[in-house]
Amino acid sequence: DAGVIQSPRHEVTEMGQEVTLRCKPISGHNSLFWYRQTMMRGLELLIYFNNNVPIDDSGMPEDRFSAKMPNASFSTLKIQPSEPRDSAVYFCASSLDGANEKLFFGSGTQLSVL
Amino acid sequence: DAKTTQPPSMDCAEGRAANLPCNHSTISGNEYVYWYRQIHSQGPQYIIHGLKNNETNEMASLIITEDRKSSTLILPHATLRDTAVYYCIVSRPNAGGTSYGKLTFGQGTILTVHP
Repeated sequence: DAGVIQSPRHEVTEMGQEVTLRCKPISGHNSLFWYRQTMMRGLELLIYFNNNVPIDDSGMPEDRFSAKMPNASFSTLKIQPSEPRDSAVYFCASSLDGANEKLFFGSGTQLSVL
Repeated sequence: DAKTTQPPSMDCAEGRAANLPCNHSTISGNEYVYWYRQIHSQGPQYIIHGLKNNETNEMASLIITEDRKSSTLILPHATLRDTAVYYCIVSRPNAGGTSYGKLTFGQGTILTVHP
């Protein structure tokens, strides 16, 4: 298996533009997580999906952020409009449900908003 | 979820064992101890987890005290590639749906393995 695949690896955009980050989880995994990492705040959980349904979005910073999971093999995280303070590395992770699950992380998307 | 306390940094000589401590004095009975690491510019990587018994896999060993208030991650023969930030996390397991254990990452321990 190729693991969790994220695209793009790097994104540079201007303030006010829409940004879409993409994630393909590991086949067969039914839980998907979006995390954001900054120097100041470390790794923060933004949203968690289970069987394509958003279960916990309490970490989504504000209405400018939205996430979707239209099917089991694809998820997007959208920021509209983007702001410089959104600059961070965004990670997607997937896992199997169960008592002994573990998260598999993608390589991340480095987002820079100018 | 219970909070954890880890030293901010540690050093280890290549080839020696690296012992990374973690305190989790408020851990609940159904919460597991998870260890992840993050090598520079990569996503976090799962290492090992346990409930109350000691665990070992191909990467590391996890020693949990009898009262479960602390644990130690052991890398038996550290290499330069083990230089990373190591996160100790306490959480209940993900049983699906709304019964999920949120993995909250703290600041971790920066382990530097030197030649």
